[in-house]
Amino acid sequence: DAKTTQPPSMDCAEGRAANLPCNHSTISGNEYVYWYRQIHSQGPQYIIHGLKNNETNEMASLIITEDRKSSTLILPHATLRDTAVYYCIVRASGGYQKVTFGTGTKLQVIP
Amino acid sequence: GAVVSQHPSRVICKSGTSVKIECRSLDFQATTMFWYRQFPKQSLMLMATSNEGSKATYEQGVEKDKFLINHASLTLSTLTVTSAHPEDSSFYICSARPPDQPQHFGDGTRLSIL
Repeated sequence: DAKTTQPPSMDCAEGRAANLPCNHSTISGNEYVYWYRQIHSQGPQYIIHGLKNNETNEMASLIITEDRKSSTLILPHATLRDTAVYYCIVRASGGYQKVTFGTGTKLQVIP
Repeated sequence: GAVVSQHPSRVICKSGTSVKIECRSLDFQATTMFWYRQFPKQSLMLMATSNEGSKATYEQGVEKDKFLINHASLTLSTLTVTSAHPEDSSFYICSARPPDQPQHFGDGTRLSIL
């Protein structure tokens, strides 16, 4: 799996958009970008994933650059419950491939 | 709702005890499940890949005789921490992948060895 780089921590004001960056410059053509988050003392929660097109679901939006070397997860209106560690993961889809976690970004949403 | 269920959510036991943690896939069959361990303020570390009907595949540095994995059915994998000691205290998490979906994770098991 390609390596990812994320800032260790970020703050965001409640109600504002949280933009979490991720660099994955060695991504391969068949690898997707996945985002998970882990709220304290819980298992990771799937958020969103994409290959090259931007994606949006009820939780977040994923913006992938044209060269696919970086991406941004956007939480449009952050709430206190969005405080968590956010993990950006790159891996090929399909099959039963393991998910390897990096260090992630600790997002603190501030009232 | 949850698609991967872990039990128990928390275990506290004495040193030397063996502890079994269950991971179940709900409403789908999982021929492969994954076990992770997470120490405080650290990321998840993959321990092993559990394969239904065959031996588990362990990551480098993980003792297979210490962490016994059994995947006897298509919906259940178990991790047994044998002769647990305080250094085995950690947060253990399993995952599985439903068909046509991303990996989903259980809520974890907090293991505390006294």
